[in-house]
Amino acid sequence: GAVVSQHPSRVICKSGTSVKIECRSLDFQATTMFWYRQFPKKSLMLMATSNEGSKATYEQGVEKDKFLINHASLTLSTLTVTSAHPEDSSFYICSARDLLGGSTDTQYFGPGTRLTVL
Amino acid sequence: GQNIDQPTEMTATEGAIVQINCTYQTSGFNGLFWYQQHAGEAPTFLSYNVLDGLEEKGRFSSFLSRSKGYSYLLLKELQMKDSASYLCAVMDSNYQLIWGAGTKLIIKP
Repeated sequence: GAVVSQHPSRVICKSGTSVKIECRSLDFQATTMFWYRQFPKKSLMLMATSNEGSKATYEQGVEKDKFLINHASLTLSTLTVTSAHPEDSSFYICSARDLLGGSTDTQYFGPGTRLTVL
Repeated sequence: GQNIDQPTEMTATEGAIVQINCTYQTSGFNGLFWYQQHAGEAPTFLSYNVLDGLEEKGRFSSFLSRSKGYSYLLLKELQMKDSASYLCAVMDSNYQLIWGAGTKLIIKP
């Protein structure tokens, strides 16, 4: 199946610093990538939809100036958490949409990035 | 509003069969997905249904009835490694995934 990678897998940072998370589709081109956040024992929460070459679409309640998303190529999207605070500590997961011959439109998930803000 | 319902938790015995149900109400329908998620990991894709009927993949099968807004994931010959959360998600008319809260499956020896 299609492979999506995320880097880093874990990051610990001090409050006030910025953290960049990369999401890459390794063996397919993804015109659309999604960024999710998962709180413990809760389902995934969609943060934003990232389309290659255009501005991301943010879900209601997600601060676009805090969570900067860039989708500069068909295989790479980045999420930058600016001026991180302890409440931003979470598991961030990206996914990329892979259109398989037009018959299946499946999202493949990256392994996730665990962010801990001290 | 859009809604996906699935049981919060289920318990089954190793070697047995378990069925996890999912009902949905969404604005449009472009397919239903099942994902498996082990604790601390990202979800992994299990199945995709867009037409009514049963799709079988090894020990896992997924069923869809669009008229009833209903799907189930059937797991046979349960193994301890199947202990995980199982997420049901529907792709709506905007091709966005609407997620259920997940069903935590506990397998006992």
